[in-house]
Amino acid sequence: GAVVSQHPSWVICKSGTSVKIECRSLDFQATTMFWYRQFPKQSLMLMATSNEGSKATYEQGVEKDKFLINHASLTLSTLTVTSAHPEDSSFYICSAWTAGGNYGYTFGSGTRLTVV
Amino acid sequence: AQSVTQPDIHITVSEGASLELRCNYSYGATPYLFWYVQSPGQGLQLLLKYFSGDTLVQGIKGFEAEFKRSQSSFNLRKPSVHWSDAAEYFCAVGAGSGGGADGLTFGKGTHLIIQP
Repeated sequence: GAVVSQHPSWVICKSGTSVKIECRSLDFQATTMFWYRQFPKQSLMLMATSNEGSKATYEQGVEKDKFLINHASLTLSTLTVTSAHPEDSSFYICSAWTAGGNYGYTFGSGTRLTVV
Repeated sequence: AQSVTQPDIHITVSEGASLELRCNYSYGATPYLFWYVQSPGQGLQLLLKYFSGDTLVQGIKGFEAEFKRSQSSFNLRKPSVHWSDAAEYFCAVGAGSGGGADGLTFGKGTHLIIQP
């Protein structure tokens, strides 16, 4: 079945530094990748949608200069949290979509970001 | 814009008892509907999905869900729960046009507690 690998699973960084999170589709080509954010005990909120080779589309209220998304290939998308602050601490989850087969949306295992 | 309502924040069920988790959606066209399960600190695992066809959908781990267009509902059921079913359950809706270009909209989740 479809597998999405997300790395790292957790990261602690100092305030003001940048952190990169990778999302890879291992056995299929993802037409579109999505990035979600989840606060403790809350639901997932869509942050942005990225298509390979195109600029990401950000949801209202999401700072595109803070959350840089690169979707350089059909199997890799990255989210870089720039100049991280404690309020950016959260659980970030990626999701890959493919119209082929029966995959639909497949989620990564998430990244716990803690900014100190 | 689509929305999802999961009216029950917490549900407690005895092991071996039946389960029904409620989900109501709002969407102008035919929706894609999903149920996901999330264990603490983990990503999302797809339980089942409805795209079209038979309105009673069978999923993994003995779960099923029924799409009722007239009630805008997609309730999740299981005839007999196991202690390992304790987790957070999310209902989600996506664009029904087959467009994987749209991210999913999630409900707030239902926390399932299993009593011995």
